[in-house]
Amino acid sequence: DIQMTQSPSSLSASVGDKITITCRASQSISTSLNWYQQKPGKAPNLLIYDASSLQSGVPSRFSGSGSGTDFTLTISSLQHEDFAAYYCQQSYNTPLTFGGGTEVEIK
Amino acid sequence: QVQLVQSGAEVKKPGASVKVSCKASGYTFTSFYIHWVRQAPGQGLEWMGVISPFGGSTSYAQSFQGRVTMTRDTSTSTVYMELSSLRSGDTAVYFCARDSRITIFGVAPPLTNYYMEVWGKGTTVTVSS
Repeated sequence: DIQMTQSPSSLSASVGDKITITCRASQSISTSLNWYQQKPGKAPNLLIYDASSLQSGVPSRFSGSGSGTDFTLTISSLQHEDFAAYYCQQSYNTPLTFGGGTEVEIK
Repeated sequence: QVQLVQSGAEVKKPGASVKVSCKASGYTFTSFYIHWVRQAPGQGLEWMGVISPFGGSTSYAQSFQGRVTMTRDTSTSTVYMELSSLRSGDTAVYFCARDSRITIFGVAPPLTNYYMEVWGKGTTVTVSS
């Protein structure tokens, strides 16, 4: 199975801050990497697919980059509605696997 | 619009089985795989498996092999996930999610990436004696 390791597991930031979350795969997965946002009590919501493609309707302050084993999710200017958990997920191989998640909290 | 509507919360005793439903609407049911993902309280996301509604073929995560069964009813555009021999560690929210790939005769194209594009709201399953 491909292991996905996210860091940090949590971070505190203020509105307007730029934040970056990293995701590392245990083997090369090309760009078969997706990012989801999850708010408490809700289902995950797709933000980024193919490592860097913005899902329709997602604000442009979200961006993704990377290929191979190392990936990043960046929020350029954090907004109140962005305080949530974020998960990376690989679809290079089954079983599909997720990172452990990053909780973004208000400082 | 595309929607996945899941069944309501369940409370089960250890050793019992649970069957969760996921009713699709707003698209051609047989053209997209459906995944099941679960999330234990305060934990991350865990993929359980996938079903092709066209022919009913399935692929399960090894950790659920022998305990999980995914089926579908094309007459009602509904997929089901049944988990047996429940234990306390199965207490979780169970989500269904539609795959991004359009299938042809139930088979997805060999794309390098795919994702879970539309999600149900989740079904809480509590296992407690």
